[in-house]
Amino acid sequence: DSGVTQTPKHLITATGQRVTLRCSPRSGDLSVYWYQQSLDQGLQFLIQYYNGEERAKGNILERFSAQQFPDLHSELNLSSLELGDSALYFCASSPLRDRKETQYFGPGTRLLVL
Amino acid sequence: QKEVEQDPGPLSVPEGAIVSLNCTYSNSAFQYFMWYRQYSRKGPELLMYTYSSGNKEDGRFTAQVDKSSKYISLFIRDSQPSDSATYLCAASGGYQKVTFGIGTKLQVIP
Repeated sequence: DSGVTQTPKHLITATGQRVTLRCSPRSGDLSVYWYQQSLDQGLQFLIQYYNGEERAKGNILERFSAQQFPDLHSELNLSSLELGDSALYFCASSPLRDRKETQYFGPGTRLLVL
Repeated sequence: QKEVEQDPGPLSVPEGAIVSLNCTYSNSAFQYFMWYRQYSRKGPELLMYTYSSGNKEDGRFTAQVDKSSKYISLFIRDSQPSDSATYLCAASGGYQKVTFGIGTKLQVIP
């Protein structure tokens, strides 16, 4: 158990809908990362927050947004969902702001868009 | 061309074999190299990380980095059925995002 929790574990929704994925980092970790994992693309970095502020952005679509709250939990919002958004979404946390070599992953949320 | 290339396999080996997993990378700025293990329907678990070139050993696992050839390796000695998983290599410039390989699926057959 990495200490990172994610809810829900599974989510089934329809195209055009909006969903929110939630992540609680390990105790004491200030950095939260979001990743998308699909079979053909592998693990793709979406966005990083550090202590409530956006720190780095990756291949995140404009339809997606995230935030980190004062208690350090984070939410990833996915809107106007498309079939291609079906994937595993992982959250990871790290105690470091900029050095990214040690990240601890949560169990993921499996999203299926029908 | 992807910055980190990894053969997706699958790779099947008998129990007790030495497993060699490899990746290549193209970004010369990468200084940190990681290996993650991912069991089916679970999140990636950090196995090892190394800085720059050289070897690092942890139990049955040895990570090797050759920056001159941009080659990353993970060796698993005395492989066990419990080692059956997908192994992801990853690299970072430290202050840059981590770039992952697509993962190699390993099956260790009893």
